[in-house]
Amino acid sequence: QTVVTQEPSFSVSPGGTVTLTCGLTSGSVSTSHYPSWYQQTPGQAPRSLIYSTNTRSSGVPHRFSGSILGNKAALTITGAQAADESDYYCVLYMGYGIYVFGTGTKVTVL
Amino acid sequence: QVTLKESGPVLVKPTETLTLTCTVSGFSLSNARMGVSWIRQPPGKALEWLAHIFSTDEKSYSTSLKSRLTISRDTSKSQVLLTMTNMDPVDTATYYCARGILRREFDYWGLGTLVTVSS
Repeated sequence: QTVVTQEPSFSVSPGGTVTLTCGLTSGSVSTSHYPSWYQQTPGQAPRSLIYSTNTRSSGVPHRFSGSILGNKAALTITGAQAADESDYYCVLYMGYGIYVFGTGTKVTVL
Repeated sequence: QVTLKESGPVLVKPTETLTLTCTVSGFSLSNARMGVSWIRQPPGKALEWLAHIFSTDEKSYSTSLKSRLTISRDTSKSQVLLTMTNMDPVDTATYYCARGILRREFDYWGLGTLVTVSS
């Protein structure tokens, strides 16, 4: 059973930078997993932020960026704003049409 | 304008079969590289990918739930259906459908529908 791990929570100051990661309990994350990232606020459907590791989705601010850091996918928020306080999920493509969501990270801006 | 809308029962009993419908507009279910996934989220918990149907009508399923899931489509009605058998209270969740572009992103989502499993 594939488990995709994320930090449970992060706190960042307004204007600060935070990097969230997305890893596998077994193996390394690579561009071949086409990592994507989603933002979800309470009571709302998720919103696509990043796809194919580092491509911003339509309308996403430049303060959101994606990358591979070591053996994990990463989402960096540079210059965090109060509006960025949300839950963030990564998704990995495991091949054969199968996707797995990460465990999610709750980001607090204060 | 791309939209997706989930519909189905709000309450099902344990052991019953759940059938959900996702009605899409603004794109064709036969568009190359596009498909529709079902994703769920139990209250206060993480998102979980369930199943995907491709433009070619190929299907894929979560390995842990594969035995209970069936995804299908009716292109004439622009609908994607999900059936889940043997429902249990732990299946209580908001169920979302989302448009998926192969190896890219889930770019459009429905608002979700809350399904409660209780006797």
